[in-house]
Amino acid sequence: SQTIHQWPATLVQPVGSPLSLECTVEGTSNPNLYWYRQAAGRGLQLLFYSVGIGQISSEVPQNLSASRPQDRQFILSSKKLLLSDSGFYLCAWSLAPLTDTQYFGPGTRLTVL
Amino acid sequence: GESVGLHLPTLSVQEGDNSIINCAYSNSASDYFIWYKQESGKGPQFIIDIRSNMDKRQGQRVTVLLNKTVKHLSLQIAATQPGDSAVYFCAENMGDSWGKLQFGAGTQVVVTP
Repeated sequence: SQTIHQWPATLVQPVGSPLSLECTVEGTSNPNLYWYRQAAGRGLQLLFYSVGIGQISSEVPQNLSASRPQDRQFILSSKKLLLSDSGFYLCAWSLAPLTDTQYFGPGTRLTVL
Repeated sequence: GESVGLHLPTLSVQEGDNSIINCAYSNSASDYFIWYKQESGKGPQFIIDIRSNMDKRQGQRVTVLLNKTVKHLSLQIAATQPGDSAVYFCAENMGDSWGKLQFGAGTQVVVTP
């Protein structure tokens, strides 16, 4: 069966510090991968998606970036965090275009102080 | 722009009663819809999905109804239990080959004893 991992689970970082969040998927090959951000009490905002190694598409302009160094690894990064980067970051995978169902990881709670 | 939205931000339900969560969509090109359940501090969990060639689909204690005429989607939960307390999101596919989904704002379901 497929599983998706995210770490760290919780992170507190000062403004201006760098960021690296990692997501890995097990049990499937060549998945589509997605990064979302969820503000408190809000819906999901798609940040990045990837259909293959090294292929990243950005949905919104921001100081975040994403990379996919391996087939089942997706990384969200920032060189300098802003207060507005605080939120709940979710990684998801799918086998699109076979199916559009996305399956989510447990998330990373990021607080920027 | 086109979006998916929910009618009720909060739904209070007595334990044992049936819950109905509603969702409106405006993208007539969407042909796939999903309901997710998100418990506090966790990633969204897939509940049930439906394709546009269907009007109704049933799972364990859950039923999704799709009314394409009025672009309305609903999730019915039978015999609501305390463990059903969560935020419920509807999502529609964007009709592209990357499996992108458009999420609604979410409905908080609170089950009272």
